[in-house]
Amino acid sequence: GENVEQHPSTLSVQEGDSAVIKCTYSDSASNYFPWYKQELGKGPQLIIDIRSNVGEKKDQRIAVTLNKTAKHFSLHITETQPEDSAVYFCEASGGSYIPTFGRGTSLIVHP
Amino acid sequence: DGGITQSPKYLFRKEGQNVTLSCEQNLNHDAMYWYRQDPGQGLRLIYYSQIVNDFQKGDIAEGYSVSREKKESFPLTVTSAQKNPTAFYLCASTVAGNPTDTQYFGPGTRLTVL
Repeated sequence: GENVEQHPSTLSVQEGDSAVIKCTYSDSASNYFPWYKQELGKGPQLIIDIRSNVGEKKDQRIAVTLNKTAKHFSLHITETQPEDSAVYFCEASGGSYIPTFGRGTSLIVHP
Repeated sequence: DGGITQSPKYLFRKEGQNVTLSCEQNLNHDAMYWYRQDPGQGLRLIYYSQIVNDFQKGDIAEGYSVSREKKESFPLTVTSAQKNPTAFYLCASTVAGNPTDTQYFGPGTRLTVL
């Protein structure tokens, strides 16, 4: 089955800095790579996703890049703000009916 | 507003008791999922259902049971056989249960065993 590794587990940045979270996956059949943001005590919410036919996707301050050859994809947040503080999860899916998530990254943005 | 609701938000249970967590969706989604979330463990799949009256075990189904009698509802029962049930439980749904569908999550239920 699919295995997803996510790094780092914790990321601390100053407001205005950029943050990058990386995920690697094992199943070459995976072709859908969403990122979710989970605020404290709430369920995860989709913030951006990418499919295997593109290498990069951007939505305002958030971008995702995909390298299918190396089997990794990354979330980039620019000009971070305190409200970006949350846990972020990556997912790699497509090879089976069971979604596979990374273990999460706790992002802390200091004012 | 369309979405997924989970109740209750907090649940306390004595050891040896079964407890049922509710999950309802009005998104007209075919597939529904239950995940368990522990600190540092990410999301682990308990059960999923792609269609009414059918469901499949996920990675950690032991000690849990589900039913899918209606498209909108997918309740999870945590039985006394679950050795360490204290956790945050998340319900999710997707449009058709395809591997590339986006997951829509509910707000979660925090279960504590006393």
